[in-house]
Amino acid sequence: DAGVIQSPRHEVTEMGQEVTLRCKPISGHNSLFWYRQTMMRGLELLIYFNNNVPIDDSGMPEDRFSAKMPNASFSTLKIQPSEPRDSAVYFCASSLGNPKGELFFGEGSRLTVL
Amino acid sequence: RKEVEQDPGPFNVPEGATVAFNCTYSNSASQSFFWYRQDCRKEPKLLMSVYSSGNEDGRFTAQLNRASQYISLLIRDSKLSDSATYLCYSGAGSYQLTFGKGTKLSVIP
Repeated sequence: DAGVIQSPRHEVTEMGQEVTLRCKPISGHNSLFWYRQTMMRGLELLIYFNNNVPIDDSGMPEDRFSAKMPNASFSTLKIQPSEPRDSAVYFCASSLGNPKGELFFGEGSRLTVL
Repeated sequence: RKEVEQDPGPFNVPEGATVAFNCTYSNSASQSFFWYRQDCRKEPKLLMSVYSSGNEDGRFTAQLNRASQYISLLIRDSKLSDSATYLCYSGAGSYQLTFGKGTKLSVIP
C-alpha cells in the first residue's frame, strides 16, 4: 500500500520565489497535518485538516504561508514570497479517524531558500 | 513555553546497555501519548503508544506518570540499530498535538 506521498523531495529556490509543496495522504485517512522541522525548533505543527476542512492553522507562521485541501487525496502548502528562514524539512502526515490516532508521515520535502 | 520537553542528548551508550529517556509535558489535560522514532534524514515513525498502565514491546517499555506529568521510554539490551532520535508526542483535546524536540541516541559497538 502506498504511504503518504510528498513532492518535491528537495527544493532549492531563491528568496522571494513562490514555493508549492504537495501531499497525497493515505487513501481513507481523513486527517491531514503539515509539520515543519528545524534543528532549532523541532517538529512544529503548521496546520491540521479534518475531512478536508482546516481545523487549526494557529501554527502557520505568517500570511506568507497558506495551505489548501481541495479534496480528500491532495493538499498543498504554499509559501509566497519565500525567505531564507523558511528553510526546513516540511512533513505531511495523515491519520485515520480522530487526531489522537497514529500519524503516518511522508518522506518530507527539504526546502532551501537562498 | 514549550509544552513538551525532552533532554536532547546525545545519549551515547554501549551495545547491550539499558537506557531510559524521559519526556515532561506541561498541559495537564494531555490525554494521548506516543513515542516516535526518527532516523537521520528520514520521517518519524510510530514506535509505541503510551498507556496509563504502561506497555511493553520486546526490549522497549513505555510508562506514563500523570502525577509528575512525564512519560518514559526504556530500551533494554541496546542494539546498534536503535541509534536514532526518539520523539515524544502528547495530545490534549482534539487538536492540541505537540512533539518534543527529540532525544538523540547513539549505540556504540
